[in-house]
Amino acid sequence: NAGVMQNPRHLVRRRGQEARLRCSPMKGHSHVYWYRQLPEEGLKFMVYLQKENIIDESGMPKERFSAEFPKEGPSILRIQQVVRGDSAAYFCASGPGLGLSSTDTQYFGPGTRLTVL
Amino acid sequence: QQPVQSPQAVILREGEDAVINCSSSKALYSVHWYRQKHGEAPVFLMILLKGGEQKGHEKISASFNEKKQQSSLYLTASQLSYSGTYFCGTEANNAGNMLTFGGGTRLMVKP
Repeated sequence: NAGVMQNPRHLVRRRGQEARLRCSPMKGHSHVYWYRQLPEEGLKFMVYLQKENIIDESGMPKERFSAEFPKEGPSILRIQQVVRGDSAAYFCASGPGLGLSSTDTQYFGPGTRLTVL
Repeated sequence: QQPVQSPQAVILREGEDAVINCSSSKALYSVHWYRQKHGEAPVFLMILLKGGEQKGHEKISASFNEKKQQSSLYLTASQLSYSGTYFCGTEANNAGNMLTFGGGTRLMVKP
């Protein structure tokens, strides 16, 4: 049973370019969470999605950032017109969406490390 | 509002014990503990549900005091492999599947 998959693992962009980060949840999971982590810091929640629906985007910057989780295919976090401050590790986690309980939790992918030159 | 973890960092010798605390200002439904090694993804350790239970995982165990909205992670007879950053993720009673993570506790175990 494959775990959460993210690609690319490393992404380098120049200022002003667009970055697209992809996340395929664990098999059987229908909910995806995106987090940003700066070096030596904690995990900052960005957005929570289920198929074709954004549940909570309270952690998303108002501009340049967007996320989707289409009916088919991976979830995508899109950053337009990247700036140096966007450089970070972006982690995706998936969960069953049944209510976090003693049987399940959020499982993290390996992350995408974005570097903006 | 994110939970507060303490200490922020701790250095141990192999075989020593450590306690990592996680406190929230919100009423909690569950607490989830993860360990992250440098450059890697956070790895799930255990969940604690309200009810004040205590769970164990090898020499790593945890407790959850629902009334105080606190959880503690206990590392006994630490091994070199325990080094990493430990995060607690809290689920508030009305959070509906969402976790809020603390700032992390950096643990270094030396030979």
